Amino acid sequence: NAGVTQTPKFQVLKTGQSMTLQCAQDMNHEYMSWYRQDPGMGLRLIHYSVGAGITDQGEVPNGYNVSRSTTEDFPLRLLSAAPSQTSVYFCASSSGRGGNTIYFGEGSWLTVV
Amino acid sequence: KQEVTQIPAALSVPEGENLVLNCSFTDSAIYNLQWFRQDPGKGLTSLLLIQSSQREQTSGRLNASLDKSSGRSTLYIAASQPGDSATYLCAVRDDYKLSFGAGTTVTVRA
Repeated sequence: NAGVTQTPKFQVLKTGQSMTLQCAQDMNHEYMSWYRQDPGMGLRLIHYSVGAGITDQGEVPNGYNVSRSTTEDFPLRLLSAAPSQTSVYFCASSSGRGGNTIYFGEGSWLTVV
Repeated sequence: KQEVTQIPAALSVPEGENLVLNCSFTDSAIYNLQWFRQDPGKGLTSLLLIQSSQREQTSGRLNASLDKSSGRSTLYIAASQPGDSATYLCAVRDDYKLSFGAGTTVTVRA
């Protein structure tokens, strides 16, 4: 019962470096998304995908890039890390739109110095 | 744009007292509302999911109500225990997206 798997769990980056946060789900869900959580602000949507080959921007997309080549995987790329991207990142998936439950990964803690 | 507000931001109660956590949202066109628990440094644990057609949902000591027309949900936790200490987040789903409140941090004193 893997569900939604995120890697790495912890990462420290230097300003300007690039990296990819990995997200994989084994539930054959069409919908996947990335959120970031900052103190006192709840979770905010970065990017989402409604199926392989289809992605769209959420509330805070700047500085992040995504692609969806398979149903299972939805990586989040930081092209040139900035201290403002220090945050906790959560990947989520669900079986389509509407009333279905959204399942979350355990989070990736990212620090940019 | 959907705005979700949780009041209070923090709450401290003695063990055994009932907890009442409030969540309000601005756009009533939602598919469902979900309550999550988050322990420090951990991920999200889903507690209850209420579909837009439902008025309430119960699981053990937890009961959540939903009044979609007024844009409100309340999470009740009966007979609180120190193990209930955590941050509780509510989130509303409109189509593909979840909009979260900032959470209520609960401390239950032994």
